[in-house]
Amino acid sequence: EIVMTQSPATLSVSPGERATLSCRASQSVHNNLAWYQQKPGQAPRLLIYGASTRATGVPARFSGSGSGTEFTLTVNSLQSEDFALYFCHQYNDWPPTWTLGQGTKVEIK
Amino acid sequence: EVQLLESGGGLVQPGGSLRLSCAASGFTFSNYAMTWVRQTPGKGLEWVSGISGSGGATYNVDSVKGRFTISRDNSKNTLYLQMNSLRAEDTAVYYCTRRPMGWNYVDYWGQGTLVTVSP
Repeated sequence: EIVMTQSPATLSVSPGERATLSCRASQSVHNNLAWYQQKPGQAPRLLIYGASTRATGVPARFSGSGSGTEFTLTVNSLQSEDFALYFCHQYNDWPPTWTLGQGTKVEIK
Repeated sequence: EVQLLESGGGLVQPGGSLRLSCAASGFTFSNYAMTWVRQTPGKGLEWVSGISGSGGATYNVDSVKGRFTISRDNSKNTLYLQMNSLRAEDTAVYYCTRRPMGWNYVDYWGQGTLVTVSP
């Protein structure tokens, strides 16, 4: 199965600044890549699918890019509600897989 | 508004069984494939079992084949996961999730139900 890894494990950012998260696939997933946000005690929330398409209701400060094996999630002008855990997810190959481990935690600097 | 509400989790001994349920609302249930996804602190998120909108096709990850059975009752807008021969490594929060038509990613999640397998 395809292994998804993210970096960094923790990202310390000040409110109003930009956060850049990276996701790598062990083999090409083309653009079949999604990003999710999860807050403590809550279910994950879909942010991006198709590597760069924002899900319904997701603010424009969230953007995704990349294809193949390298992907990036950028959050511009971080708001207080954006400090959370973020996961990437490939759905190109069977079975669909998420980031191995705990994804990237974006915390307040 | 799409809502997915899981129930049925709890503490069970190794080798025991549990049946999870997920009540869906806010969309035409029979039009969507559904998936159970589980989350553990160590491994993170894992796709467990999936089922087509009609219920005619089901899929299980290798680690649960022969032990877990996914099913649905479209007349009741309810998804199920029958879990038998439970192992300690099945301990996780189990999420009921919806997949958009024709795709394998998840667009909506329930709040999750905790399954703990322990003596």
